[in-house]
Amino acid sequence: NAGVTQTPKFQVLKTGQSMTLQCAQDMNHNSMYWYRQDPGMGLRLIYYSASEGTTDKGEVPNGYNVSRLNKREFSLRLESAAPSQTSVYFCASSSRRGNYGYTFGSGTRLTVV
Amino acid sequence: DAKTTQPPSMDCAEGRAANLPCNHSTISGNEYVYWYRQIHSQGPQYIIHGLKNNETNEMASLIITEDRKSSTLILPHATLRDTAVYYCIVSNNAGNMLTFGGGTRLMVKP
Repeated sequence: NAGVTQTPKFQVLKTGQSMTLQCAQDMNHNSMYWYRQDPGMGLRLIYYSASEGTTDKGEVPNGYNVSRLNKREFSLRLESAAPSQTSVYFCASSSRRGNYGYTFGSGTRLTVV
Repeated sequence: DAKTTQPPSMDCAEGRAANLPCNHSTISGNEYVYWYRQIHSQGPQYIIHGLKNNETNEMASLIITEDRKSSTLILPHATLRDTAVYYCIVSNNAGNMLTFGGGTRLMVKP
């Protein structure tokens, strides 16, 4: 039982490059989320998917797109990376009612130079 | 979702109880209080949540005041491994759209 798996764990991009962060969960959770965490700050919600087939913007969606590929997978895409997107990205999932809280992945550390 | 206020940092002696306070004076009737912690740069870890009644699990206890305007997370016997940032979050009953504030940085000292 792996929980929430994120790939890659580390990535360095040049300004303007694109990439997709992958996230998969094996807990049959309905809801999935993408957060970013800048140094010394709390987590901020980028996008979420309350259920398969739906996605919604969070607090800081600009510069990102998401795809809920199926119930297990939720990807985050940076179309044209900027230095301001240097951050640690966390994926999380929860059951519909969230009675046992979110389960987070271990994070992707992204640096844009 | 209601906002929360937590002290930015606290110290606790190893083996003693750690009591982390949280104010959420604008909490509404259907909102739960959630606690998470983040060790180093790992993903946050769910600890406990509650609505009205006090709750206890293998990790911690949650004490919610009768008016629900504040709560306290209690780690009964803190260890060095409990050093982390602890987040108090108020959210709707679906537990979706959790908003993380600055949290309390707990330092457990030998």
